[in-house]
Amino acid sequence: LAKTTQPISMDSYEGQEVNITCSHNNIATNDYITWYQQFPSQGPRFIIQGYKTKVTNEVASLFIPADRKSSTLSLPRVSLSDTAVYYCLVVDKNSNSGYALNFGKGTSLLVTP
Amino acid sequence: NAGVTQTPKFQVLKTGQSMTLQCAQDMNHEYMSWYRQDPGMGLRLIHYSVGAGITDQGEVPNGYNVSRSTTEDFPLRLLSAAPSQTSVYFCASSPGAAYGYTFGSGTRLTVV
Repeated sequence: LAKTTQPISMDSYEGQEVNITCSHNNIATNDYITWYQQFPSQGPRFIIQGYKTKVTNEVASLFIPADRKSSTLSLPRVSLSDTAVYYCLVVDKNSNSGYALNFGKGTSLLVTP
Repeated sequence: NAGVTQTPKFQVLKTGQSMTLQCAQDMNHEYMSWYRQDPGMGLRLIHYSVGAGITDQGEVPNGYNVSRSTTEDFPLRLLSAAPSQTSVYFCASSPGAAYGYTFGSGTRLTVV
């Protein structure tokens, strides 16, 4: 499993755009970048997944440069309810070994008024 | 409601007791897995399954057993509970690597 590195914590004010960058220098050709969000006392929730360039959904955007050694999760105009831990994961989509997820400690995002 | 259902939500065990944490999903997902999350930590994989009858160990399998007799159910058995197994346990399911996992709401286990 490729190792990921992301900031331990980030702070933001309501209404701002938040960008969380994750580095994954040893990402393999078959690996995809996946982000999960976890609120206190809840299980993680799948947010977005991508392979290269840009992916956007109703929740976030994911930017992946050509070398794929890093990625950035972008949350537009955050609200207090976006306060959560965000996990960056690298997933081998072609692996049949359980599609194991390596969560790490994630980035704890605090949004304040 | 479709999703992953975990029972019980809370459990207190005495050291040496055994119990089974239940996990059921109604989405016909092939992949299921169990994670534990300790305070301030990320999730660690205990066991996983890629289909009925197929299971394998994850990062921290010691002290836990699993079986997958049906697509829907993936119970986790604690053989002889120890205080080190005090944690929050999450079950998750996925139709495949392209789609992300859906997690249950967790079981908070305390071993005294």
